[in-house]
Amino acid sequence: QQQVKQSPQSLIVQKGGISIINCAYENTAFDYFPWYQQFPGKGPALLIAIRPDVSEKKEGRFTISFNKSAKQFSLHIMDSQPGDSATYFCAASSDTGFQKLVFGTGTRLLVSP
Amino acid sequence: EAGVAQSPRYKIIEKRQSVAFWCNPISGHATLYWYQQILGQGPKLLIQFQNNGVVDDSQLPKDRFSAERLKGVDSTLKIQPAKLEDSAVYLCASSLDRGGNEQFFGPGTRLTVL
Repeated sequence: QQQVKQSPQSLIVQKGGISIINCAYENTAFDYFPWYQQFPGKGPALLIAIRPDVSEKKEGRFTISFNKSAKQFSLHIMDSQPGDSATYFCAASSDTGFQKLVFGTGTRLLVSP
Repeated sequence: EAGVAQSPRYKIIEKRQSVAFWCNPISGHATLYWYQQILGQGPKLLIQFQNNGVVDDSQLPKDRFSAERLKGVDSTLKIQPAKLEDSAVYLCASSLDRGGNEQFFGPGTRLTVL
């Protein structure tokens, strides 16, 4: 019940295309859903996050879509650029308790020039 | 604002040896986390400190792993003795407090156990 399932495992997108990464969760107590971006040799960095009171959040080229009833959320990267090539992790936590982040397994994105 | 500092960046040891990792969180951050990231997987929380007290160590293999956060600032994570399956990147993160959602990660320490 603590798992966050992420797909696809890897993704190749042409420059200018849309990258879409999906995540699903079971624990209905989760109420914070961040996406982290990780470059090789670096720690993950927060990209964008959403709470269940909204269905979509947009920051620049990055958008999170959230479907509470389906317990799914996704990351859309519009106009994908080669510099977006990285590994993306979805995660979830609950405000109750100690906000332990549960991470998905990651998606390796390659944006071809 | 300086980020989360970790050292060493890389460590290679033989199985059954001991190893220690050090983390200096962002100044003023009360909550500190240690994660284990095995190649191809997402980070897994090992232990979480609130100031110098442990609030979650449910996934820490306590027979071989230990961690401390003296004075509520720096932290060390120790493995003794190491096993082959401990090969991973060990990430330290910090946040303002347990209610602060954004966790800031350090660059990690890549451990190879031979």
